[in-house]
Amino acid sequence: QQPVQSPQAVILREGEDAVINCSSSKALYSVHWYRQKHGEAPVFLMILLKGGEQKGHEKISASFNEKKQQSSLYLTASQLSYSGTYFCGTERDAGGTSYGKLTFGQGTILTVHP
Amino acid sequence: SQTIHQWPATLVQPVGSPLSLECTVEGTSNPNLYWYRQAAGRGLQLLFYSVGIGQISSEVPQNLSASRPQDRQFILSSKKLLLSDSGFYLCALRGGQGYEKLFFGSGTQLSVL
Repeated sequence: QQPVQSPQAVILREGEDAVINCSSSKALYSVHWYRQKHGEAPVFLMILLKGGEQKGHEKISASFNEKKQQSSLYLTASQLSYSGTYFCGTERDAGGTSYGKLTFGQGTILTVHP
Repeated sequence: SQTIHQWPATLVQPVGSPLSLECTVEGTSNPNLYWYRQAAGRGLQLLFYSVGIGQISSEVPQNLSASRPQDRQFILSSKKLLLSDSGFYLCALRGGQGYEKLFFGSGTQLSVL
């Protein structure tokens, strides 16, 4: 079942912050975050495993709340290069039978203006 | 390092024509391989996955098929394309460990006219 992302779109000025949420109705083993520019393949940002991890990558960080099966992506002091569509991909906690399959949310379009 | 070769980058095909998209990977052995499709302005839909040579699982009923004749080769095919087959097709690989990322190829933009 597809995870639900919110908001669907965000418009920012350079330097502003944003939070993108990803929620699943299934028990998750991991959550992946990707950014996609128009016409290009998605680019990996980070992976969070069950256990409530919080990870960081430059000014982009993420958390995973295992109890709620929710993940949030935090973008701080946004730059023009952050513009794109952000997807969360979720892997079900299926006792090793998920075969690494990721189910993706519908995406959040982030636009950063000067 | 892992590399995915996917071609062509762009393809325009008439309705009813056959399709063959090939994906080859380097820098890894026995990866899990995946075909995703992305309709315009939409999310990524998993079409097929393979955990080994000759092992194909389909996620959604459709007009497409997949094959894995070699460990590092994954092929997406159709005998007769439909208009609804248009989209951005992405081959992806992932290692066997749960902490590994899904790595995408550069994709093929298919337009069926």
